[in-house]
Amino acid sequence: GENVEQHPSTLSVQEGDSAVIKCTYSDSASNYFPWYKQELGKRPQLIIDIRSNVGEKKDQRIAVTLNKTAKHFSLHITETQPEDSAVYFCAASTGNQFYFGTGTSLTVIP
Amino acid sequence: ETGVTQSPTHLIKTRGQQVTLRCSSQSGHNTVSWYQQALGQGPQFIFQYYREEENGRGNFPPRFSGLQFPNYSSELNVNALELDDSALYLCASSPGGGSYEQYFGPGTRLTVT
Repeated sequence: GENVEQHPSTLSVQEGDSAVIKCTYSDSASNYFPWYKQELGKRPQLIIDIRSNVGEKKDQRIAVTLNKTAKHFSLHITETQPEDSAVYFCAASTGNQFYFGTGTSLTVIP
Repeated sequence: ETGVTQSPTHLIKTRGQQVTLRCSSQSGHNTVSWYQQALGQGPQFIFQYYREEENGRGNFPPRFSGLQFPNYSSELNVNALELDDSALYLCASSPGGGSYEQYFGPGTRLTVT
């Protein structure tokens, strides 16, 4: 089955700096790669996603890049703000199966 | 448009018992997936239902089973509960039809003693 690895497990950045979280996957059949933000005690929220036929997608301060050949994808957050502090999860999916990474705890220091 | 809802919020069961958790999909969504999230870990995919049929399953034993109803709401049933089944159970709905975006419910916190 699919194996998704996520790094780093914790990340601290100064407010205004950029944050990058990286994931790798193993199943070449995976074609959908979402990212979720989960605040303490709350449900995961979809923040951005990318399909395998696209190399990059951007939404305001958030961007995701995908390298299908190397089987890795990354989340980039620019101009970080304290409210970006949360746990972020990547996932890889074939559409009817979803596999999540182990999460990155991001702390933005004011 | 209503979001994904789950019931109950919290549940305490004894080892060996059976439990049923419920999920109502977001309006217009015909696909539901269930996840188990242990403390400090990522969600683990249990299975997915599309138009009342299971169409994807993760690495969970058969004592984890589900149903999806004609209104696309769903149930997760777990038999012969074990202590390791203690976790947050999340359901997520998606529109289907080639759209994979999933929207999560608030979860049910299950404690097995």
